[in-house]
Amino acid sequence: AQSVTQLDSQVPVFEEAPVELRCNYSSSVSVYLFWYVQYPNQGLQLLLKYLSGSTLVESINGFEAEFNKSQTSFHLRKPSVHISDTAEYFCAVVNAGGTSYGKLTFGQGTILTVHP
Amino acid sequence: DAGVIQSPRHEVTEMGQEVTLRCKPISGHDYLFWYRQTMMRGLELLIYFNNNVPIDDSGMPEDRFSAKMPNASFSTLKIQPSEPRDSAVYFCASSFGGGGGSPLHFGNGTRLTVT
Repeated sequence: AQSVTQLDSQVPVFEEAPVELRCNYSSSVSVYLFWYVQYPNQGLQLLLKYLSGSTLVESINGFEAEFNKSQTSFHLRKPSVHISDTAEYFCAVVNAGGTSYGKLTFGQGTILTVHP
Repeated sequence: DAGVIQSPRHEVTEMGQEVTLRCKPISGHDYLFWYRQTMMRGLELLIYFNNNVPIDDSGMPEDRFSAKMPNASFSTLKIQPSEPRDSAVYFCASSFGGGGGSPLHFGNGTRLTVT
């Protein structure tokens, strides 16, 4: 069984400040890791993913996350946030290979609120 | 690409009534997932299909819930009879290939309120 823990349920931050949303996971097998973002009244959208290779992955809107196998973490960071980044962010994990077929395990979510 | 389309966006019904939620996946996607989101339990996978065939329904809470996928472009999630504890946002998602690394594309959800 797998589990995902997002350590902060809410993160308030001022515009242009840096932010880190923390995610730890537990799994007995190799995993793929994802961050999804959910804007109000919308479904989740993929922000970035780690499958293999470089442990640092980036999104097109300035977010990045680093896979740390020894610490079983996949924290999400952005050096300077915008008002438009206000949303709920979900970390998710799935078995690498096997028959998991997209059967993601999601964390409880972190609400990022960016204040002017 | 219109994305995953769900209907209705909002549904308010009385306890005991039948509720049917609908989903049209992205054309060409061969996996379809139904999730439920609540404050208490977060996002839960209810059931998923591959090529219209149900693969894993272990997340369906009880026999009152059923899901069908009669063809590649349409799926339904039915609750009969509905109960107040079924109130939640129900999401449909689809993906191509289904391997663990295939990203899910979510619809905007159906917000169900059972009074």
